[in-house]
Amino acid sequence: AQSVTQLGSHVSVSEGALVLLRCNYSSSVPPYLFWYVQYPNQGLQLLLKYTTGATLVKGINGFEAEFKKSETSFHLTKPSAHMSDAAEYFCAVSDRPSGSARQLTFGSGTQLTVLP
Amino acid sequence: DTEVTQTPKHLVMGMTNKKSLKCEQHMGHRAMYWYKQKAKKPPELMFVYSYEKLSINESVPSRFSPECPNSSLLNLHLHALQPEDSALYLCASSQPGSTGELFFGEGSRLTVL
Repeated sequence: AQSVTQLGSHVSVSEGALVLLRCNYSSSVPPYLFWYVQYPNQGLQLLLKYTTGATLVKGINGFEAEFKKSETSFHLTKPSAHMSDAAEYFCAVSDRPSGSARQLTFGSGTQLTVLP
Repeated sequence: DTEVTQTPKHLVMGMTNKKSLKCEQHMGHRAMYWYKQKAKKPPELMFVYSYEKLSINESVPSRFSPECPNSSLLNLHLHALQPEDSALYLCASSQPGSTGELFFGEGSRLTVL
């Protein structure tokens, strides 16, 4: 079984400050890990993903995340927050795929507020 | 622009109505998903179709009936819904055997009166 824990349901940062959203996972096999962003009344958009290879993953809108196997973590960071980053962020884990459709297990989400 | 298109964007229905939500993707994906999302919560998986066959049904009440007419289309038929079924319904697609990344539509906001 796999699970995802997002620490902090609400995070507030000032514009221009570092953004750090925390995600820890539990998986019986090496995982595939994802961060999605959701703006109000919209669907989920993929920010970045870790599959194999380089553990520091860069995504869209200046976000990046580092896979740390020893800490079972996949924290999301951005050096300088922008007002447009205000949204809900979901971390998700997927088992290594076989030929069948895979499921994502989502964390509970973190609402990011950016203060002017 | 999203490559998964959902219609309608908004739907208001009474408890005795029959309506349908539609989803279309043209990425050649062979897996399609319905999720239900309540406010401030993560998406909850409802159904998964893999190669046009229902592969996962997460104990969803029978008032929700999925249909996958072909590899590009996914419908969710709604009948005799309850007010607590009001939510954002998200469609997603992926390619079986890939990294598991799901591509989401923008959702259909359902209100049951």
